[in-house]
Amino acid sequence: RKEVEQDPGPFNVPEGATVAFNCTYSNSASQSFFWYRQDCRKEPKLLMSVYSSGNEDGRFTAQLNRASQYISLLIRDSKLSDSATYLCVVNSLYNTNAGKSTFGDGTTLTVKP
Amino acid sequence: GAGVSQSPRYKVAKRGQDVALRCDPISGHVSLFWYQQALGQGPEFLTYFQNEAQLDKSGLPSDRFFAERPEGSVSTLKIQRTQQEDSAVYLCASSWSGGTYSNQPQHFGDGTRLSIL
Repeated sequence: RKEVEQDPGPFNVPEGATVAFNCTYSNSASQSFFWYRQDCRKEPKLLMSVYSSGNEDGRFTAQLNRASQYISLLIRDSKLSDSATYLCVVNSLYNTNAGKSTFGDGTTLTVKP
Repeated sequence: GAGVSQSPRYKVAKRGQDVALRCDPISGHVSLFWYQQALGQGPEFLTYFQNEAQLDKSGLPSDRFFAERPEGSVSTLKIQRTQQEDSAVYLCASSWSGGTYSNQPQHFGDGTRLSIL
């Protein structure tokens, strides 16, 4: 079983739809959490950090449930440009204050006109 | 530019050859990471540097893989006697880590797409 698991999808949704992705992690000592976006043949780019209290950035909302060890990402009013692979990232902490990142395999989203 | 820079962007080598991949992190970033990404999968951790010290190399798949960062900035990932299973995208990431706020997110380079024939 992978340390970070995501539903690979693909999720095919029409423009304007709301879509949600979940991610579960197995390391209870995990310290911080992120969602990255990766376009085809491009590098991963940080989308947003995920905080325990939940956080929102425009059309994107991230939630963390430490007790159940899952993270979610909600995208409202989907745009064609949201089509990408969304990577869930879980950090454990080195004693050097750097985070060791473990990536899920990603969830693929395709938004159609 | 101000981002993480990797070279070459593409590398084709014959099985058995040695290759060297370069990463130039964001200026001032203390931490540097190497990842291997196979098609359809997320990046898999290879190794981590803090400045010039290699603090974690637990992800290196074999002793054919070697990484260094001698002056605490540019890093090189070397693969000796390449095999076909080494074909992947190799991503480098850097982060500023230190002070009281830890666990900064990582910033990735474009990657090197390695193909072993």
